[in-house]
Amino acid sequence: SAVISQKPSRDICQRGTSLTIQCQVDSQVTMMFWYRQQPGQSLTLIATANQGSEATYESGFVIDKFPISRPNLTFSTLTVSNMSPEDSSIYLCSGKGRLASEQFFGPGTRLTVL
Amino acid sequence: SQQGEEDPQALSIQEGENATMNCSYKTSINNLQWYRQNSGRGLVHLILIRSNEREKHSGRLRVTLDTSKKSSSLLITASRAADTASYFCATAITGGGNKLTFGTGTQLKVEL
Repeated sequence: SAVISQKPSRDICQRGTSLTIQCQVDSQVTMMFWYRQQPGQSLTLIATANQGSEATYESGFVIDKFPISRPNLTFSTLTVSNMSPEDSSIYLCSGKGRLASEQFFGPGTRLTVL
Repeated sequence: SQQGEEDPQALSIQEGENATMNCSYKTSINNLQWYRQNSGRGLVHLILIRSNEREKHSGRLRVTLDTSKKSSSLLITASRAADTASYFCATAITGGGNKLTFGTGTQLKVEL
């Protein structure tokens, strides 16, 4: 299985600020994704992180609110901008290898916005 | 709308009993994957079943897939307290570009 790490593991932020979450994957991974899990809910895909180009966002998610970078194959960042308490969630990155169908997840970042 | 619905939402059993969770989905899929999540942490990949497969086993886990009914089940045999977690199914939709759509999840509690 792919090794995926995230940081920070958790953070408490003030309303109106921004937080950047980092995700590092091992070299097996070719595709990277970002998900959000609101309290007590299931996971929802935010976007597919594309290497060297703009991410592909799902309906309901926009680049201004969740800018994503992927400067190389094994690293991506998700920024949660101008945060409000409704952004309090666990944010998870995932990766998938080129030939494999399995998708593996990082440990998640638990964000609390006050 | 959510692709997968799981039932039951919550399940409480005694250690040693079997636990069965069901997942239904709405559209054609390439594969279906089951995950475990402990106390709001990251997801652990359990098993993947492809659309042309009907049953797979991994240790104490048995997964079935019925594409005609658009449903899957996860059976955990001889459950242990350490199996206490939330379990999610996730579908890779045909033509969906490897994106996963998650079910609503089942909270399993295994009591001693």
